[in-house]
Amino acid sequence: QVQLVQSGADVKNPGASVKVSCTTSGYMFTTYFMHWVRQAPGQSLEWMGIINPSGTSTTYAEKFWNRVTMTTDTSTSTVYMELRNLRSEDTAVYYCARGGDEPNSFEYWGQGTLVTVSS
Amino acid sequence: DIQMTQSPSSLSASVGDRVTITCRASQSISSYLNWYQQKPGKVPNLLIYAASSLQSGVPSRFSGSGSGTDFTLTISSLQPEDFATYFCQQSYITLITFGQGTRLEIK
Repeated sequence: QVQLVQSGADVKNPGASVKVSCTTSGYMFTTYFMHWVRQAPGQSLEWMGIINPSGTSTTYAEKFWNRVTMTTDTSTSTVYMELRNLRSEDTAVYYCARGGDEPNSFEYWGQGTLVTVSS
Repeated sequence: DIQMTQSPSSLSASVGDRVTITCRASQSISSYLNWYQQKPGKVPNLLIYAASSLQSGVPSRFSGSGSGTDFTLTISSLQPEDFATYFCQQSYITLITFGQGTRLEIK
């Protein structure tokens, strides 16, 4: 079965960077793009960007384009999302999410990674 | 970006009620509209994709309709496990956007 397993919760100081991993299994990694979505406490879902499996093509939401980098490691079927220059409003649960038959509808989700930004 | 507006923001209903949630896009998105259910502390769950296609394993009391800019999610007969928050999402363009959510509460 398809599984997306994310790295654990993290606490960062303002101005620091965080890198969240999403290790996949149960399907051919090279077949599906991966998205990242975040959810601040009590808020809606916010799409951050998408990366192709080889890591050669990314599209980021304008809000994050100069602070986020998404990468892949095909040898371990893992996708990474790094967010730099963190501020308190970046406190959120970060999800990796993969499409199914409809590539941009999110059939599979990681369990989420809580990133807390606090001094 | 395409803005997605859901209404209502919250809704109180009783078990057995028929409930409709609406989602409006700021421009036409054809049928590129998906619906998710999220319970507190849990990961979102895809209910409906492409406006009206029921995701595998989702009960048939859930249905979706609409095209262009106006869409609806209908729950034909509310069950206790349906009390949750529902989000719409457009996938018409790669710059994906979500609605603000509709919280469905027990009356």
